[in-house]
Amino acid sequence: DAGVIQSPRHEVTEMGQEVTLRCKPISGHDYLFWYRQTMMRGLELLIYFNNNVPIDDSGMPEDRFSAKMPNASFSTLKIQPSEPRDSAVYFCASSLFRGNEQFFGPGTRLTVL
Amino acid sequence: RKEVEQDPGPFNVPEGATVAFNCTYSNSASQSFFWYRQDCRKEPKLLMSVYSSGNEDGRFTAQLNRASQYISLLIRDSKLSDSATYLCVVLRSGAGSYQLTFGKGTKLSVIP
Repeated sequence: DAGVIQSPRHEVTEMGQEVTLRCKPISGHDYLFWYRQTMMRGLELLIYFNNNVPIDDSGMPEDRFSAKMPNASFSTLKIQPSEPRDSAVYFCASSLFRGNEQFFGPGTRLTVL
Repeated sequence: RKEVEQDPGPFNVPEGATVAFNCTYSNSASQSFFWYRQDCRKEPKLLMSVYSSGNEDGRFTAQLNRASQYISLLIRDSKLSDSATYLCVVLRSGAGSYQLTFGKGTKLSVIP
């Protein structure tokens, strides 16, 4: 298996633009997680899905953030409009069961100017 | 008090040294515990789960003290390749709830 795939790996955009991050989980994994990592706050869970259904989005910082999982092999995290404070590394992870080992993708390094 | 706290380091140790990291957690209802490793500019990867009775994997030993609410990781005979940031992770889950909290990590540099 190729592992969790994320795209793009790097994204540089200007404030106010829409940003879409993409994730393909490991085949057969029922759980998908979106995280954000910054130096100040560390790794924070934003939202997670079970069988394509969003279960807990309490970590999503604002209404500017939205996430979807239209099928078992694809998820998106969208920021609209983006702001400089959204600059961070965004990780997607998947796991077989909820309490199991999570496998992380390589991350998307987002810079909002 | 933060939910999961770690000494950020850095810990600079010579090759062959033994080094220990501690992590404290605030919620006594926490159920599962893990150590993840994150190399510079890479994604976190599971190093080991932490079991109540303590567990060992080669040069790595993890221990849990529920009474004092802390977790430890011991690395013996440090290698250069052990240089990384070690993240303490605490899980609390129940019907309809899931709280997975990562510590900010402890940075280890093993020096030749």
